[in-house]
Amino acid sequence: TQLLEQSPQFLSIQEGENLTVYCNSSSVFSSLQWYRQEPGEGPVLLVTVVTGGEVKKLKRLTFQFGDARKDSSLHITAAQPGDTGLYLCAGVRSGNTPLVFGKGTRLSVIA
Amino acid sequence: EPEVTQTPSHQVTQMGQEVILHCVPISNHLYFYWYRQILGQKVEFLVSFYNNEISEKSEIFDDQFSVERPDGSNFTLKIRSTKLEDSAMYFCASSFRDAYSSYNEQFFGPGTRLTVL
Repeated sequence: TQLLEQSPQFLSIQEGENLTVYCNSSSVFSSLQWYRQEPGEGPVLLVTVVTGGEVKKLKRLTFQFGDARKDSSLHITAAQPGDTGLYLCAGVRSGNTPLVFGKGTRLSVIA
Repeated sequence: EPEVTQTPSHQVTQMGQEVILHCVPISNHLYFYWYRQILGQKVEFLVSFYNNEISEKSEIFDDQFSVERPDGSNFTLKIRSTKLEDSAMYFCASSFRDAYSSYNEQFFGPGTRLTVL
């Protein structure tokens, strides 16, 4: 069974601070996707990383895929209250196989 | 922007009753999935569907579950005899991947909250 461990589980920070959340596994994934989920809603895709070492930026969010394609990180610069939510990483083993999700990091940004 | 839609948003049923959850995937997508999320837990895979047949299913997807694509647009999940532990959010997802795509991005619907009493 492939597991994705996300850390920290909970994070509460002040507006304007920077933060990094992590997604780690002992298994290799062909791609890894980051989602954001609001309470009572479905996961919304933020980004997909595919190549080992790849870095993608989405405004103040920076996503990195580990060189060995076993881990990933999400860095948020100058966090805002609108960034509050549950951030999920999900990996694909190969092809069209189903996503394996982590438990998520619940972020709270306080104004 | 195209999106996955699901109905109903909330379904309440009595234990032992049958329920059918409905999904309309993004129109040009080829692969369809059902996932569930029990309150406070992580999203879990149930089943994937491609070319009018199940391509993969998890241990959760037992004989009580079935999926169908009755027409060119709908994708349904049926639970024949619901149990208390089936209470969860059920998410439909779809993806498009052809021979030229190197990866598979899955887009999720808003979910159906199933409550079994």
